[in-house]
Amino acid sequence: KNQVEQSPQSLIILEGKNCTLQCNYTVSPFSNLRWYKQDTGRGPVSLTIMTFSENTKSNGRYTATLDADTKQSSLHITASQLSDSASYICVVTLASNTGKLIFGQGTTLQVKP
Amino acid sequence: DTGVSQNPRHKITKRGQNVTFRCDPISEHNRLYWYRQTLGQGPEFLTYFQNEAQLEKSRLLSDRFSAERPKGSFSTLEIQRTEQGDSAMYLCASSLAGIGNEQFFGPGTRLTVL
Repeated sequence: KNQVEQSPQSLIILEGKNCTLQCNYTVSPFSNLRWYKQDTGRGPVSLTIMTFSENTKSNGRYTATLDADTKQSSLHITASQLSDSASYICVVTLASNTGKLIFGQGTTLQVKP
Repeated sequence: DTGVSQNPRHKITKRGQNVTFRCDPISEHNRLYWYRQTLGQGPEFLTYFQNEAQLEKSRLLSDRFSAERPKGSFSTLEIQRTEQGDSAMYLCASSLAGIGNEQFFGPGTRLTVL
């Protein structure tokens, strides 16, 4: 069964601190893995995308890693800001013509001053 | 604004009423997807269109749900005889056809069934 599991379910950190979110997946056939940020009451917005051959991708203070052998990904946030408070969703795209996405349940991050 | 738009943003209805949501995709995108998201969960796939053709429907899409994309541009999602369990965020996304192309999401419609 195609699945994406994320941990932790929720996280509270102080402003300025770093954090790392985890994602394990069992999805086949694999096309790419994206991390999305979803602010409360809004649609998800893509932060990073990695294909099978890429093992790291940065977008400002966000750095994603991918280990295709162990089927694990992480999203590292550096020097967190209050605006980083959101849900972060790990999403794997099936390598099929439908473009179907397999979503994790998300990690809710709260950054406190 | 050239992104995906959805209307209304919020809808409160009484159980048993019908509701209809609209999604306007990015203009050049030929694929359009509908998802449902409940609190604390990731989105769940409901259905998708390529141009005006509805190519796949999830088992989650009961016979009370119907989606259309009559001219291959905007789409509507109708829920008949709403139930409290239908309360959720309904997200629309669009993309170009092709393996691995990014889906761009709209802001969603929050449905509350009383």
